[in-house]
Amino acid sequence: DGGITQSPKYLFRKEGQNVTLSCEQNLNHDAMYWYRQDPGQGLRLIYYSQIVNDFQKGDIAEGYSVSREKKESFPLTVTSAQKNPTAFYLCASNMGGGAGNEQFFGPGTRLTVL
Amino acid sequence: GNSVTQMEGPVTLSEEAFLTINCTYTATGYPSLFWYVQYPGEGLQLLLKATKADDKGSNKGFEATYRKETTSFHLEKGSVQVSDSAVYFCALSHNQGGKLIFGQGTELSVKP
Repeated sequence: DGGITQSPKYLFRKEGQNVTLSCEQNLNHDAMYWYRQDPGQGLRLIYYSQIVNDFQKGDIAEGYSVSREKKESFPLTVTSAQKNPTAFYLCASNMGGGAGNEQFFGPGTRLTVL
Repeated sequence: GNSVTQMEGPVTLSEEAFLTINCTYTATGYPSLFWYVQYPGEGLQLLLKATKADDKGSNKGFEATYRKETTSFHLEKGSVQVSDSAVYFCALSHNQGGKLIFGQGTELSVKP
């Protein structure tokens, strides 16, 4: 079955530590996205990538970093510079191209900073 | 800039009631419009979409019509079920890397 997997489902981090969230897709999609979701709020875009080895900052990129070395993978690192990292993180992908293309979402990773 | 505004929740309805969740947008030109649904603890799933003015998206008894004149994309369902309890997100995409701009979400709770 094609889809997007995110791991782990729950992640706990001590303050001052970097942590990497995994996102893998087998949909053969060109574009991948990372969003952050806070309680009672919509999703906010962190980073996105339209092609391998290229990515762009979204609206709230500060304190985060990404890489896109393979088409299937788009890991997100939450660095110690991120002031308030506790949130639900969602990865998505689509085939790229026009605005009408659906984004497919993974199940999410809930990050808690202790 | 582009933005999406949804009615605030939570919305609480009895089973078989009529549902409307309002969504309006601000954007230049003709964005594509989407409704996504999120069940507790899960990612988002596409519910329906419309890519041009006067298009009606529909799925699972839900409908929404792309109204350019009122810049709206209101979600409706004639008879809700308990299983429809979830958070609903309205979103637009304007071909800037396929990025989605989301409203803040509306929580729906349906009681038996």
